[in-house]
Amino acid sequence: QSVVTQPPSASGTPGQRVTISCSGSRSNIGNNFVYWYQQLPATAPKLLIFRNYERPSGVPDRFSGSKSGTSASLAISGLRSEDEADYYCATWDDNLSGVVFGGGTKLTVL
Amino acid sequence: VQLLESGGGLVQPGGSLRLSCAASGLTFSNYGMSWVRQAAGRGLEWVSAISGGGSTYDADSVKGRFTISRDNSKNMLYLQMNSLRVEDTAVYYCAKEYRDTAMGNFDYWGQGTLVTVSS
Repeated sequence: QSVVTQPPSASGTPGQRVTISCSGSRSNIGNNFVYWYQQLPATAPKLLIFRNYERPSGVPDRFSGSKSGTSASLAISGLRSEDEADYYCATWDDNLSGVVFGGGTKLTVL
Repeated sequence: VQLLESGGGLVQPGGSLRLSCAASGLTFSNYGMSWVRQAAGRGLEWVSAISGGGSTYDADSVKGRFTISRDNSKNMLYLQMNSLRVEDTAVYYCAKEYRDTAMGNFDYWGQGTLVTVSS
């Protein structure tokens, strides 16, 4: 059971906007940056969002991140079939002195 | 930047294994590194981290059993795994931090190496 919580699943139709939440506490999300990863089937994770809302070069601006208090969100607009993947949030936890990942959200494009 | 893990395989419960990660295309000593694992059909689990200077951090699930280390002269990252349990079975990824920190900002990942703990 992770200290950072994500919904296990999310879905949307092509072109829609979907949001994935990541909920924690002051010791993790509240005090530290949040990172988002996309994992396509049978591949290594890929950094999607860093420092709460910044995008690495090459990541489409359809992907956006935000953080408020002890929660963070990943939004995907203009949903495409290739966005079907598992998405994970991650952050540092001051109490655990370690990195914590959310449990992951499986996104289905209907 | 390329990260290439090796050393995975089948080991009996209670046994030991040493994973290696060869890094190229970067000034290795300038970056924090971590091991992250993923059991089949499960989510990502951070295992251990090490700064460029050698400060280490471990998940509670592996404390006292796993040891992360690095050789900056060889651009190598290691994970010594002792007292292995069935629940340690997973794909183990080597991941590079964006800076010399341990924050979870992994901008490069290896392809993973499978560790199976079974009798």
